[in-house]
Amino acid sequence: ILNVEQSPQSLHVQEGDSTNFTCSFPSSNFYALHWYRWETAKSPEALFVMTLNGDEKKKGRISATLNTKEGYSYLYIKGSQPEDSATYLCAFINAGNMLTFGGGTRLMVKP
Amino acid sequence: NAGVMQNPRHLVRRRGQEARLRCSPMKGHSHVYWYRQLPEEGLKFMVYLQKENIIDESGMPKERFSAEFPKEGPSILRIQQVVRGDSAAYFCASSPRTGNTIYFGEGSWLTVV
Repeated sequence: ILNVEQSPQSLHVQEGDSTNFTCSFPSSNFYALHWYRWETAKSPEALFVMTLNGDEKKKGRISATLNTKEGYSYLYIKGSQPEDSATYLCAFINAGNMLTFGGGTRLMVKP
Repeated sequence: NAGVMQNPRHLVRRRGQEARLRCSPMKGHSHVYWYRQLPEEGLKFMVYLQKENIIDESGMPKERFSAEFPKEGPSILRIQQVVRGDSAAYFCASSPRTGNTIYFGEGSWLTVV
């Protein structure tokens, strides 16, 4: 079982704050890193697929960076809104095709 | 193009009965993954299948649980002799190939009474 860690586990921010959280994964045998957004009682929704060291992806106010050499990815949310409240999951895929989810960061944005 | 379809959405079983959860992947997807979400926990990997093959079942309990993805028809996660601790949401996901985005179904909520 691969070690994929997300921090913090939970985060409370005020509306309008910018925030970021981390996904750490093994730096060897990298194939891809995915970010998903998961609202309670719904199915996870894909945000980003990242494959290259130094990748930066952006979708509206959400962006992500990737460092495969040191084994981490950051997810940033600029100007958080209450509708951003969700659990954000990263998933690491190694060269052996094994996909492992991190434990998620639960974000709560207060109006 | 329909998404990943799971059924039933909700299932109630008495202890000792069998539970069968079905997952139809998106059209053109030959990779299926099953995850379990226990209350207050994140998604836990159970099994990864391709058509007619189990690729990785390292997350699946050795007893009472089995999964299949036949050449025709949906993938099935089968839990025999269910116990209260099996109560959870079971999510299925599919992808066209490894490394691509995986698309999730809406989950099947199993309650064991």
